[in-house]
Amino acid sequence: QLQLQESGPGLVKPSETLSLTCTVSGGSISSTSYYWGWIRQPPGKGLEWIGSIYYTGSTYHNPSLKSRVTISVDTSKNQFSLKLNSVTAADTAVYYCARHRRYSGGFFDWFDPWGQGTLVTVSS
Amino acid sequence: QSALTQPASVSGSPGQSITISCTGTSSDVGDYNYVSWYQQHPGKAPKLLIYGVTTRTSGISNRFSGSKSGNTASLTISGLQAEDEADYYCSSYTSSSTYVFGTGTKVTVL
Repeated sequence: QLQLQESGPGLVKPSETLSLTCTVSGGSISSTSYYWGWIRQPPGKGLEWIGSIYYTGSTYHNPSLKSRVTISVDTSKNQFSLKLNSVTAADTAVYYCARHRRYSGGFFDWFDPWGQGTLVTVSS
Repeated sequence: QSALTQPASVSGSPGQSITISCTGTSSDVGDYNYVSWYQQHPGKAPKLLIYGVTTRTSGISNRFSGSKSGNTASLTISGLQAEDEADYYCSSYTSSSTYVFGTGTKVTVL
């Protein structure tokens, strides 16, 4: 059974870089047909797609965050990571990682399964 | 990119049917059959219910069904049960090769 688990600091200072890692277990991150994505949810608000990465390193990002986001993959550790720089209080959210289905032809579809999520608070 | 538009809340009595709309544009919902629906209970991660507009994920009750007309997708929950009280989100692929979620709908079982 495929499982994903987010890890990283729960508190980040304003203007610094948020760094999270997602560890995939029960399956290979090098699976074809799947990207691996990051999604966030500010407290009491909706979901926002941050970006997704293929095991080869190919990435797609939300245009609104692209300039601050770096997503990378480490196939040897079956992990992928998120870095978000120059954070502000508006980046306070629960961050989820999830497997992202992508079809030949380049179309993204569903996220499943999801990690349990990790709350990151931006505060001095 | 703009979030897909959903009603903030929908309510119904046990046993009733409710429908949640998800309105996008001709650059996302209207042009692609890659619409998914997620259910999220408080404090939990979202759970995939439906993908490809109409396909239920394994283990999901047939009380949940999806459809699409033009730029608007819909999720119908029939035979509403107390356990269906949750937040629901739609999502879609976009013509910019990106992915967008809906604004979310809180379902209340009266």
